[in-house]
Order: sequence, then C-alpha cells, then structure tokens
Amino acid sequence: QQQVKQSPQSLIVQKGGISIINCAYENTAFDYFPWYQQFPGKGPALLIAIRPDVSEKKEGRFTISFNKSAKQFSLHIMDSQPGDSATYFCAASPNSGYSTLTFGKGTMLLVSP
Amino acid sequence: EPEVTQTPSHQVTQMGQEVILRCVPISNHLYFYWYRQILGQKVEFLVSFYNNEISEKSEIFDDQFSVERPDGSNFTLKIRSTKLEDSAMYFCASSDGQGYTGELFFGEGSRLTVL
Repeated sequence: QQQVKQSPQSLIVQKGGISIINCAYENTAFDYFPWYQQFPGKGPALLIAIRPDVSEKKEGRFTISFNKSAKQFSLHIMDSQPGDSATYFCAASPNSGYSTLTFGKGTMLLVSP
Repeated sequence: EPEVTQTPSHQVTQMGQEVILRCVPISNHLYFYWYRQILGQKVEFLVSFYNNEISEKSEIFDDQFSVERPDGSNFTLKIRSTKLEDSAMYFCASSDGQGYTGELFFGEGSRLTVL
C-alpha cells in the first residue's frame, strides 16, 4: 500500500513534443505529490509538486494533473527540450509533506534534437 | 546556493568490510535523511534523523546500518558489514526546520560498490 507505481520506465520524445509520465498510488493517506528531476551524476531535485485540493498545477512548461478519485497523477512537459533529458521520479507523502517520501521507480526521458 | 555535499563520490569495498559515508547537510537544516538507489530502481528511504536521534527508519535499515551526527556539520551513514546487495547509490538529503519533506535537498550521492 506504500507503493507508488510509475510508468513508462523510459520515454523518447522529439524536441517540441509533449512528454507524459504517469503515477498511481494506493495509500489514501498520501496528500502531497512532488516530482523530482535527476540529471546523470546528480541527486534528485524538486521540480514541481501538487496537493489534492487542486486538479492541476502548472509551472512554466511543466504541469501536474491530479485525479484524486483514480488515485493517479501525471507530469506533462510541454515543448520538450533536449535539456529536459533526465530521470523523473514521482513521489508521495502523507501529512502534507511532513512525513517520509515514497518514490516511484523513475522514468528516463530522452528528448531527441 | 547552499547545497548538500557527500563524500566519497565512489567507494569500492570488499564484502564484510565496514563503510562510512559522509554528508554535510545545508547549514540551517535540522532534518536529515539517507536514501539509496540500486541501479535502475527507485529511490528508497532508509532513515530520517532529527535532534540527534532517528525519527523514522525503513525495514532496509537493519542492525548493520547506523547513523550519527558526530559534530555540528557532518551526518554519517555506517554500514557495519557490507553485503553484495548493499551496492547502490546512497543519497543524503536535508530539509529545513519544520520537518517538511516536500522539498528535500539531495546531495550528488555516494556510489558504493561491494565486491
């Protein structure tokens, strides 16, 4: 019940295209859903996060869509750029982010020029 | 910009040996974490640490693991007797004073290879 399931495992998108990564969870106590971006040789870094009181959050080219009833959330990267090539992890936490993060397995995104 | 620093970046050790991984969290952060990532798999929580004691630990964090804040700046993870399956990237992270894990600041990781 603590798992966060992420798909796809890897993704190749043309420059300018839309990258979509999906996550699903089972634990209804989760109420904070961040996405982390990890470049090779670096640690994960917070990209964008959402709480279940909204269905969508947008920051620049990055959008999180959240479906509370389906217990699913997704990351959309609009106008994908080669510099977006990285591994993306979804995560979830209960207690509004004041408890341990549970991560998905990650999605390796490659944006081709 | 403040950052979490980790040493060593890569350590190779023989099975059964003790390993200490070191971390310097961001200076005004009070909550510290160790996560690990086995190659190609998800980032897994090991332990959280606050006020000089463990606040939460996962099932992975068994008796062979220990954490310590030996001084005001370092935060260490000790693996007492390494096993092959301990080979992974170990990430230290910190967060600010309220224990808010919504934004963890991760270091670049220490890659441990157990032979």
